[in-house]
Amino acid sequence: GAVVSQHPSRVICKSGTSVKIECRSLDFQATTMFWYRQFPKQSLMLMATSNEGSKATYEQGVEKDKFLINHASLTLSTLTVTSAHPEDSSFYICSARDPGRGVRNQPQHFGDGTRLSIL
Amino acid sequence: DAKTTQPPSMDCAEGRAANLPCNHSTISGNEYVYWYRQIHSQGPQYIIHGLKNNETNEMASLIITEDRKSSTLILPHATLRDTAVYYCIVRFPQGGSEKLVFGKGTKLTVNP
Repeated sequence: GAVVSQHPSRVICKSGTSVKIECRSLDFQATTMFWYRQFPKQSLMLMATSNEGSKATYEQGVEKDKFLINHASLTLSTLTVTSAHPEDSSFYICSARDPGRGVRNQPQHFGDGTRLSIL
Repeated sequence: DAKTTQPPSMDCAEGRAANLPCNHSTISGNEYVYWYRQIHSQGPQYIIHGLKNNETNEMASLIITEDRKSSTLILPHATLRDTAVYYCIVRFPQGGSEKLVFGKGTKLTVNP
């Protein structure tokens, strides 16, 4: 089945640094990937839609200059948290759907998430 | 906004069937019902989806009422590893955005 891989699984860094998270579709090409954020004891909140070869679409209230998204190939999207601060500490998760299956009701598949801790 | 309503929590005994309800009274004719689950500190895992017919796979069964205003996810023989938060999501797959909107889900605890 479709597999989505995220890296790193966990990162701890100092306040003010930038952190890059990778999301890869391992056995399919994804023109669209999605980035979510999840705070403790809360549900997933969509941050942005990553589009291969074009600009990402951000949800209301998500700062595009803070969360840089690059989708330069059909198998890789990256999320960079710039100048991270403790309030950016969260669980970041990506997802993608295999469009090659030809049926649009096919489900999205999620990565295992990246736990970001800013000290 | 999420268009589904689920109980916040449920308990089930190991080995028994777990029946998780979901209300989606405003579902439109072309929207599918998807179920995912999230085990602690992991990404969501796809379970099953359906439009109007009941569906079954190796993980679970999905029962959708005839009026499609509610559905039930059935885990036939729950194990301790099925303890997770279960999300019911409705989505229109044709055209437009493919984004999923997660509600608060149901926290299922399987007890030994």
